Order: sequence, then C-alpha cells, then structure tokens
Amino acid sequence: DGGITQSPKYLFRKEGQNVTLSCEQNLNHDAMYWYRQDPGQGLRLIYYSQIVNDFQKGDIAEGYSVSREKKESFPLTVTSAQKNPTAFYLCASSTRHLTLQPQHFGDGTRLSIL
Amino acid sequence: DQQVKQNSPSLSVQEGRISILNCDYTNSMFDYFLWYKKYPAEGPTFLISISSIKDKNEDGRFTVFLNKSAKHLSLHIVPSQPGDSAVYFCAATGNTPLVFGKGTRLSVIA
Repeated sequence: DGGITQSPKYLFRKEGQNVTLSCEQNLNHDAMYWYRQDPGQGLRLIYYSQIVNDFQKGDIAEGYSVSREKKESFPLTVTSAQKNPTAFYLCASSTRHLTLQPQHFGDGTRLSIL
Repeated sequence: DQQVKQNSPSLSVQEGRISILNCDYTNSMFDYFLWYKKYPAEGPTFLISISSIKDKNEDGRFTVFLNKSAKHLSLHIVPSQPGDSAVYFCAATGNTPLVFGKGTRLSVIA
C-alpha cells in the first residue's frame, strides 16, 4: 500500500539541539514538501524539492535544512537556529511540482521543546 | 499578507443539514483550488478540487463552487454526517507552491 511515512510521531528536543524528522514515500513521486502547522494556523511551506539533489526554500526556511539524496526520502533538520520549533510538521509529496494532482500527506511529527 | 483566507474558524451544523465552508483569495494568478480535510494528529487528505475554467465541481456529497469575479469559493457538504467533523483547509495555486488558508473546524452534531 503506497503512502508517506513520517517518523517519529512525537519528538522532544532540548535547547540548542538539532533534530531530524524523517519522511519516506513509496509513491514514486518526484516532488516532496515540508510544512509547519501551528495552532489556529494554516500550513506554511518550509522547503520543497522538485527532484533528487534539488530543493528550494519555502516561506519559512530559516532555522531548517533539508536534503534529497534519494527520491523516496526528504529528511528535515530543525536546527538550534530555529527559535520557536514547537509545532506539528507535515511532509507531503506529489507526482511532480506544480502538478494539478493533489499532494499526499503523511501523518505528521509533533515536535516539542524540553 | 494572507493570500487565502478562511474567515470562519469554526462552524457547527446539525446532522443531515448542509454545511457551507467559505474561502476567499486575493491573488488573481491562482487558477486551481483544492479542499483538504484533516482529523487531529493526522495529515490532511485531499477532498475535492476545481480549476478556474469551471464554476462547479461535484463529488458525491461534496460540491465546490468557484466565483472568480468575487475571488471566492465554497465547499458544500450535503447531507452532513458526524464523520465529517474535522478541520477543512482551502488551498490555491497558480504556478506556485500551494498556499493554504488557516482552516475551518466543522462540527456536525447528531
């Protein structure tokens, strides 16, 4: 059954620590995305990747980094430079960037600061 | 600057009645619009979409209407069911990454 897997579901970070959120898809999609959701807010785009070894900043990229070494994987690192990292993080994919096909989402990772 | 606005944070509807969720946008370059449904602690799931060349699209109990001149779209759910209780996000694109509204929480009361 094809889909997007995000892990872990819950993650705790100490002050000054980098953490990496995993996102894997087996949909054979070219494009992948990371969003952040805060309470009462919509989804805001952090980074996206149209193809392997390529990625672009979204609206709120500061304090985050990504890599796209494999088509299936698009990990997000929340660095210590991100001053307010507590949020719900969602990964998504689509057949290709700017397609009219809808994005498919994972079930998210909730990150909290200890 | 919010390009996609969902001005009602919440909506309560009785089971069996019609639910109408509204969405306004400001960017005239948007030409494709989507609705997503989200349950707590899960990712959004795609519900229905509409292209700017249409003014209506139906899929079962769900209908989306687009008024380009008013830059307004709405999602109608008829009849509403308790399982429809969720947060609904409107999203738009126009050769850009998707832009999402803040969502409307729909509660369908039995």
